[in-house]
Amino acid sequence: EAGVTQFPSHSVIEKGQTVTLRCDPISGHDNLYWYRRVMGKEIKFLLHFVKESKQDESGMPNNRFLAERTGGTYSTLKVQPAELEDSGVYFCASSHRPGTDNYGYTFGSGTRLTVV
Amino acid sequence: LAKTTQPISMDSYEGQEVNITCSHNNIATNDYITWYQQFPSQGPRFIIQGYKTKVTNEVASLFIPADRKSSTLSLPRVSLSDTAVYYCLVVPDGGSTLGRLYFGRGTQLTVWP
Repeated sequence: EAGVTQFPSHSVIEKGQTVTLRCDPISGHDNLYWYRRVMGKEIKFLLHFVKESKQDESGMPNNRFLAERTGGTYSTLKVQPAELEDSGVYFCASSHRPGTDNYGYTFGSGTRLTVV
Repeated sequence: LAKTTQPISMDSYEGQEVNITCSHNNIATNDYITWYQQFPSQGPRFIIQGYKTKVTNEVASLFIPADRKSSTLSLPRVSLSDTAVYYCLVVPDGGSTLGRLYFGRGTQLTVWP
């Protein structure tokens, strides 16, 4: 079974530019999550999709961040325009069900975003 | 959501048993205790989950006392490859639609030869 795939693995952009991160969850997982860790901080929740619907987007930092999951398969997270404080590692995870799935959440390896 | 407290770091030698204790004094009745492991440049990886008493799988054991205010992750005979950050999380029962996980700082385990 393929794991959660994230693309790109690294991205370096200039302040003000736009970047789009992509996440392919495990096939059949309706629940998809985005998390972020900025330098020296804890991993923080951004949002949760159930299929194509946003179940919880309370962790999104501001309106420069836009997440989509058209068709309930892969998801994209767009940052426009990027600011220096957006630098960090963005993780995507998927699960069969939210909360206490017996197999936990499967995380991707993350996208390291550097805004210069 | 229940806050967790765990050691910032621990050191061990290869072949030893490592026990990492986590405090979660405000755990709710429907909360489970879940542990994740994270290697550098990778996302967190689910290790084990339990509600009470003891849970064991091929990777680790999880001990949860009756009051559930703490839990201990036990790694038998660690190797160098077990060097990682270990996170203790309290997660609501799957009946909830809330799927967010709260990660603390975790415990950096370093295994020496």
